[in-house]
Amino acid sequence: DSGVTQTPKHLITATGQRVTLRCSPRSGDLSVYWYQQSLDQGLQFLIHYYNGEERAKGNILERFSAQQFPDLHSELNLSSLELGDSALYFCASSVATGQPYEQYFGPGTRLTVT
Amino acid sequence: GDSVTQMEGPVTLSEEAFLTINCTYTATGYPSLFWYVQYPGEGLQLLLKATKADDKGSNKGFEATYRKETTSFHLEKGSVQVSDSAVYFCALSAGSRAAGNKLTFGGGTRVLVKP
Repeated sequence: DSGVTQTPKHLITATGQRVTLRCSPRSGDLSVYWYQQSLDQGLQFLIHYYNGEERAKGNILERFSAQQFPDLHSELNLSSLELGDSALYFCASSVATGQPYEQYFGPGTRLTVT
Repeated sequence: GDSVTQMEGPVTLSEEAFLTINCTYTATGYPSLFWYVQYPGEGLQLLLKATKADDKGSNKGFEATYRKETTSFHLEKGSVQVSDSAVYFCALSAGSRAAGNKLTFGGGTRVLVKP
């Protein structure tokens, strides 16, 4: 158990819908990262938050957004869903930023868009 | 940009065989290198890491050495067990403020160990 929790574990929804994925980092970790794992794209970095502020963006679509709240939990919002958004979404946390601190991954949320 | 290339799988081995998974990288500066393992139905777990050239990371019988001259970080284990069956990911982190410490992953190598 990494100490990072993600909910829900599975999510099935229809095209055009909007969903919210939730992540709670390990106790004491200030950084939260979101990654997408799909068969065709592999594991891709989406976005990084540190202590409530956005720090870096990767291959994140405009239909996707994220935020980190004062209690440090984070939410990834996916809207106008398409079939191609079906993937495993992982959240990871680390102590801080700016150094290669270890990232601890949650169990993931499997999103299926039908 | 940064990239990681690792050998494609699946790699099928018998128990107690020697395992090598090749990983090479392209990055500016001096990245840190990682191996993560993903067991079926689970998230990624950090297996080992190395933060500078010639460092050797090791854990649970696995080893990898950061070779700057060949830009490689090959994973090895001398005697695999059935429980080592998983997908292994090589990754790098530039660790810079601009990069935001993101991880860049290779495509993953599935390893299947047969009894």
